[in-house]
Amino acid sequence: SQKIEQNSEALNIQEGKTATLTCNYTNYSPAYLQWYRQDPGRGPVFLLLIRENEKEKRKERLKVTFDTTLKQSLFHITASQPADSATYLCALLEDYKLSFGAGTTVTVRA
Amino acid sequence: GAVVSQHPSWVICKSGTSVKIECRSLDFQATTMFWYRQFPKQSLMLMATSNEGSKATYEQGVEKDKFLINHASLTLSTLTVTSAHPEDSSFYICSASLLGLADTDTQYFGPGTRLTVL
Repeated sequence: SQKIEQNSEALNIQEGKTATLTCNYTNYSPAYLQWYRQDPGRGPVFLLLIRENEKEKRKERLKVTFDTTLKQSLFHITASQPADSATYLCALLEDYKLSFGAGTTVTVRA
Repeated sequence: GAVVSQHPSWVICKSGTSVKIECRSLDFQATTMFWYRQFPKQSLMLMATSNEGSKATYEQGVEKDKFLINHASLTLSTLTVTSAHPEDSSFYICSASLLGLADTDTQYFGPGTRLTVL
């Protein structure tokens, strides 16, 4: 089965800066990869989906890239705000089920 | 749209008792619902997949007799933790999908249920 690694457990950044999160997987490239946001004590909320034939996807201040050669997805939060503080999970489809990374907790300092 | 609710949001029970958690899709019909468990600072781990009107498919290592799943309608799935023990204490999250296994399908997650077994 796939091993999904998210670069770091925690990321602390200054408000206004760009946060960059990494998601690496080990085996075959999935048909698509998703990113979710999870706040403490809450279920994940879907943010973005990127397909294997797409290089980049944007939604407001969020940008996701997908490099099947590197087996990696990058998730960027531009012009970060304290309200962006949360844990961000990447997930990919394997055997018709979603497998999640452990997440990266982002803290944006005012 | 695409709202999933869970009830209760938290529950504390004594060891040996059974606890039922409900998962409802409020504004859509969900052909497939998923149950996950999440321990502190860990990722979501899929426990089982359930389709309306059929038996749930459990992941390896998940005891089907301990975690009973019923998906009686297209808007309701229940997870019953039978004879709960302290090691079952966790955050249980359900999700629902509209189309089941379509490659662009998105899962909509419930808010989770915090189970504490004393």
